[in-house]
Amino acid sequence: QKEVEQNSGPLSVPEGAIASLNCTYSDRVSQSFFWYRQYSGKSPELIMSIYSNGDKEDGRFTAQLNKASQYVSLLIRDSQPSDSATYLCAVEESTLTFGKGTMLLVSP
Amino acid sequence: DGGITQSPKYLFRKEGQNVTLSCEQNLNHDAMYWYRQDPGQGLRLIYYSQIVNDFQKGDIAEGYSVSREKKESFPLTVTSAQKNPTAFYLCASSQAGTEYEQYFGPGTRLTVT
Repeated sequence: QKEVEQNSGPLSVPEGAIASLNCTYSDRVSQSFFWYRQYSGKSPELIMSIYSNGDKEDGRFTAQLNKASQYVSLLIRDSQPSDSATYLCAVEESTLTFGKGTMLLVSP
Repeated sequence: DGGITQSPKYLFRKEGQNVTLSCEQNLNHDAMYWYRQDPGQGLRLIYYSQIVNDFQKGDIAEGYSVSREKKESFPLTVTSAQKNPTAFYLCASSQAGTEYEQYFGPGTRLTVT
């Protein structure tokens, strides 16, 4: 049974803080990991991909991968109200398997 | 939304009717996918196609059918056999060699009463 687990939230952070979103997965052989952002009523938007252990930074976003612990995370620095959305973790497990998402609320 | 279009944005149908959702892409992507999303749920894969004239069932293919006659187009038919068709339907595409890096269209919200 393929599983990608995320805390549903909401995760509430004040503007300017660091938001930390976490995801665990069940398939040890997974090689590709993605974070999507989904605004309410809209389709998911790919914001980060990571394929090897360690950190990958892109602007205010940092993805972190630990394959030994089967854990992937997304850090958002200097959070803005416009970052308020649901963040979906997706893991390659023959096909792409999505978590249910974590809702992030950034208050001004 | 990139170069993926889905139409219509909202669709209403009576129970027992088949309905076809459109998905077109101009990204020259080889692979295309259909997902459904229900409130509070993750995306679930219905069908996918990696090449023209070929497609595979995903996790929840029952009650759905697809065709892939052109690289640009991957329509999804929701048949009357689908028990709970009301959902948000999302089409995605990806480039060959990066099949897991998928880009989504704007989605079609289907309501069946």
